[in-house]
Amino acid sequence: DTGVSQDPRHKITKRGQNVTFRCDPISEHNRLYWYRQTLGQGPEFLTYFQNEAQLEKSRLLSDRFSAERPKGSFSTLEIQRTEQGDSAMYLCASSLVPQRTYGYTFGSGTRLTVV
Amino acid sequence: GENVEQHPSTLSVQEGDSAVIKCTYSDSASNYFPWYKQELGKRPQLIIDIRSNVGEKKDQRIAVTLNKTAKHFSLHITETQPEDSAVYFCAARDTGFQKLVFGTGTRLLVSP
Repeated sequence: DTGVSQDPRHKITKRGQNVTFRCDPISEHNRLYWYRQTLGQGPEFLTYFQNEAQLEKSRLLSDRFSAERPKGSFSTLEIQRTEQGDSAMYLCASSLVPQRTYGYTFGSGTRLTVV
Repeated sequence: GENVEQHPSTLSVQEGDSAVIKCTYSDSASNYFPWYKQELGKRPQLIIDIRSNVGEKKDQRIAVTLNKTAKHFSLHITETQPEDSAVYFCAARDTGFQKLVFGTGTRLLVSP
């Protein structure tokens, strides 16, 4: 287990198309987070799971966005009817709670470009 | 919810100088404050963190200080090297929903 994996690394899609991203967390981590990062900004929270339960969704997450973690392992993030404003880096992170530190391990991200 | 502000947005120093990046947070109950380094095109990586029961933590050339009364924390890098050039993000743990809330980042440039 070498860390958090995200697939694909890059995705170019036409406006209006649906896209799905996958995240495989560190295997023993029970929490999984999705963040979005645009150029020059810090990671912006989207949603997170503890095991298979989705515990919080940001108000920024419109109804075009949906995330799942069906078996408490990998997660998918789907964006329906993509818009140009969805262009960003989508970062996944995982952590284990409870533990001494609450720090995340991030994946390398999926860069989405909507044209 | 938690809100984190970070300053400065850019910081240029000469190799060997010290660099200080400051963050403030809004939720006085926040109890965990990590710092991440993100090099161009790479993932954010945790470089140091501090919990609210500690005022200072040091790891070689980097240190973090926390002032709970003033609700601010700072990253200190001494003897900077060109490889320290990156974007640094502070974060605070939202006690309500237990997620990390990030600052907007500081681009550090260390010139040889």
